Amino acid sequence: KAGVTQTPRYLIKTRGQQVTLSCSPISGHRSVSWYQQTPGQGLQFLFEYFSETQRNKGNFPGRFSGRQFSNSRSEMNVSTLELGDSALYLCASSSGLARETQYFGPGTRLLVL
Amino acid sequence: DQQVKQNSPSLSVQEGRISILNCDYTNSMFDYFLWYKKYPAEGPTFLISISSIKDKNEDGRFTVFLNKSAKHLSLHIVPSQPGDSAVYFCAAPPGSGATNKLIFGTGTLLAVQP
Repeated sequence: KAGVTQTPRYLIKTRGQQVTLSCSPISGHRSVSWYQQTPGQGLQFLFEYFSETQRNKGNFPGRFSGRQFSNSRSEMNVSTLELGDSALYLCASSSGLARETQYFGPGTRLLVL
Repeated sequence: DQQVKQNSPSLSVQEGRISILNCDYTNSMFDYFLWYKKYPAEGPTFLISISSIKDKNEDGRFTVFLNKSAKHLSLHIVPSQPGDSAVYFCAAPPGSGATNKLIFGTGTLLAVQP
């Protein structure tokens, strides 16, 4: 079974731009969660989508948004980029049942200049 | 408010010896804990988990111990191997509701010296 894939792997943007990141979960998985990893804050939960609905949301500003499609693929969007948005963005997929193992993708490294 | 804490940013051990990674939590509602390992340029990989109804869970070289009264868990790796060198995160779901949200600690960088 193919693992979680994320595209693109690396991205450079400038302040004020917007960016869209994509995540394809493991086949059959209906839950996709997004995390931001930075040196100062560690791994922080952004949001989770299950069956095309946002099921949970972390403490991030409204500039961070996401969606999930009927094939469970998910995208996250960051508008009006700030320097502090430079981070590794990880997505994780699972069946969606509580306490099922989450499998992470390799991440998208975003650099905002 | 850091609900899951890993107070040691780094740890260095000799190959063949035991590695002990520690994690503390503040929320007594947490009842399930996981350890993930992360290599540079890769996503975290699930290692082992433990439910609060147990105080120990073992999987090969990896054992996790849970002390609920102290709100403390530890991951033991025996024997340690150079390939174990990575960042280790402990994590917990927030407790209630149908969610896959995980709260992560800040991680401990383990270096296993040959």
